[in-house]
Amino acid sequence: NAGVMQNPRHLVRRRGQEARLRCSPMKGHSHVYWYRQLPEEGLKFMVYLQKENIIDESGMPKERFSAEFPKEGPSILRIQQVVRGDSAAYFCASSPGTRSYEQYFGPGTRLTVT
Amino acid sequence: DAKTTQPTSMDCAEGRAANLPCNHSTISGNEYVYWYRQIHSQGPQYIIHGLKNNETNEMASLIITEDRKSSTLILPHATLRDTAVYYCIVEETSGSRLTFGEGTQLTVNP
Repeated sequence: NAGVMQNPRHLVRRRGQEARLRCSPMKGHSHVYWYRQLPEEGLKFMVYLQKENIIDESGMPKERFSAEFPKEGPSILRIQQVVRGDSAAYFCASSPGTRSYEQYFGPGTRLTVT
Repeated sequence: DAKTTQPTSMDCAEGRAANLPCNHSTISGNEYVYWYRQIHSQGPQYIIHGLKNNETNEMASLIITEDRKSSTLILPHATLRDTAVYYCIVEETSGSRLTFGEGTQLTVNP
């Protein structure tokens, strides 16, 4: 059973460009979480999605960031007009559903904004 | 706001038990204690969780005090590959997000 997959693993964008980060949850998992880890800082929750629904986006910056988890296909974290401060590791996790105790994390996408 | 307090760093000799403490004095009755670890910027890895009873799995043991205000993660025979940042997290279940604190940097020495 393949684990959580994230791509790309490394992404370089110039200031003002858009970044799209993709996350394929484990097979059978319908819940996806996105976390961000800034350099030398801890992991911070961003957003929690179920298929076609955003459940909790309290950790998302108010502007430029959006996330979706469509009925078919991977979850997408989209960052518009990137700035240097967006440089970070973005981790996706998945879980089977409610009453699940474990979140399974992907390897992360390292975003570098130049 | 962090619900847990952990030492910043700990050292352990290879082959010995590593005991990582965590204080969570404000834990509520429906909150679980979770432990995750992050090895050198990889994605975090789930280790174990518990509510009030002690738990053991193939990776570790979790000892929770009777008043549930603190817990200890035990790696019975630490190896060099156990060097990582260990996070103690207190959250309700049912799809809750995880709130990571600073964690404990465990270094296993040969």
